[in-house]
Amino acid sequence: KAGVTQTPRYLIKTRGQQVTLSCSPISGHRSVSWYQQTPGQGLQFLFEYFSETQRNKGNFPGRFSGRQFSNSRSEMNVSTLELGDSALYLCASSGGDLSGANVLTFGAGSRLTVL
Amino acid sequence: QQQVKQSPQSLIVQKGGISIINCAYENTAFDYFPWYQQFPGKGPALLIAIRPDVSEKKEGRFTISFNKSAKQFSLHIMDSQPGDSATYFCAAGDDKIIFGKGTRLHILP
Repeated sequence: KAGVTQTPRYLIKTRGQQVTLSCSPISGHRSVSWYQQTPGQGLQFLFEYFSETQRNKGNFPGRFSGRQFSNSRSEMNVSTLELGDSALYLCASSGGDLSGANVLTFGAGSRLTVL
Repeated sequence: QQQVKQSPQSLIVQKGGISIINCAYENTAFDYFPWYQQFPGKGPALLIAIRPDVSEKKEGRFTISFNKSAKQFSLHIMDSQPGDSATYFCAAGDDKIIFGKGTRLHILP
């Protein structure tokens, strides 16, 4: 069974640019959550999508957005990049509405460096 | 954002010893408390989890102790091995899972 796939794995951008990250969840999983991981802050919750709708949202500025497609694949976008956006962006999928719905399976992440 | 406070930030334990990591949460509505293990270059992976209706859960060398009244829970790793060296995250939540800041565990051979 394929795991959670995130692309790209590494990318370098400059301040002011925008970036789009992609996440393919485990087959059958309908919920996708996104987290930002930095050395000092651990994993911070960005948002969660379920059946193409944003179900939960963390405390990040509007520059961070996401969406989910009908096949449950998800993308997140960061516009007007800042140096502080450099981080590992993790995607996690779960069943969403099944028992064990809280069980998150993470991808390996997309490492974003902003210069 | 609801906080989950984790300590210590880093921990060094001799091989064969007991590793203990502690977490505290604020929101009494939380009903799910997992621990995740992360190795360098990998995403976090679920290690063990507990619901608030039990006070302890054991899986192999890993045990979660849960104190609902104190809003605290901890991970105990018995007979710690060098392969256990990793970053450990506690988490808590209901439909939204909030993570602690992590503990870097190093087991001395």
